[in-house]
Amino acid sequence: EEHLEESGGGLVKPGGSLRLSCAASGFTFSDAWMSWVRQAPGKGLEWVGHIKSKIDGGTTEHAAPVKGRFTISRDDSKDTLYLQMNNLKPEDTALYFCTTLPWHPNVDAWGQGTMVTVSS
Amino acid sequence: DIQMTQSPSSLSASVGDRVTITCRASQAISNYLAWFQQKPGKVPKLLIYEVSNLQWGVPSRFSGSGSGTDFALTISDLQPEDVATYYCQKYHFASPFGPGTRVDLK
Repeated sequence: EEHLEESGGGLVKPGGSLRLSCAASGFTFSDAWMSWVRQAPGKGLEWVGHIKSKIDGGTTEHAAPVKGRFTISRDDSKDTLYLQMNNLKPEDTALYFCTTLPWHPNVDAWGQGTMVTVSS
Repeated sequence: DIQMTQSPSSLSASVGDRVTITCRASQAISNYLAWFQQKPGKVPKLLIYEVSNLQWGVPSRFSGSGSGTDFALTISDLQPEDVATYYCQKYHFASPFGPGTRVDLK
């Protein structure tokens, strides 16, 4: 069964950095396009960005609010997706999810999320 | 950047009603349009992908349609377990979500 597990969240001061990880299992991670999605408390879903599989170029797209501050990467040897977050702002406070969706309906996986709180 | 809007932002309907949620893109998009359902405290669930393809395990009362800039999710026979917030998402290059539509029971 497909499984994703995020880690690395926590409390950080404005201007600080965090690296989130997403460990995958139960499917061929190297073939998967992967997304990061966040949800601020009581708010809607917000796409953060995604990364293609290396065979499809391995390129990334990032949402405008995080472009230049956040970087998505992957280590296929470890079946792990990363989100490097720099220069964090209070408005980045959210639950961060990794997912294979909607790219791979046949690999229906969504992690439980890791909470990031940016506050002084 | 393409923006996604949804209407209505919320609705109340009765069990058995036909409910339609619309999603509009600020410019024409390809057929990479998905719909998700999210219940309180739960992760989102994929309902529809590529505009009209029903995800496996999703009841057939859910359907998707549309093209260009205008898309819709229809629930043909609303059930109590359908109370949730529904999001559309364009996915190709930038992949923004719509703001969501909250569905409640009357």
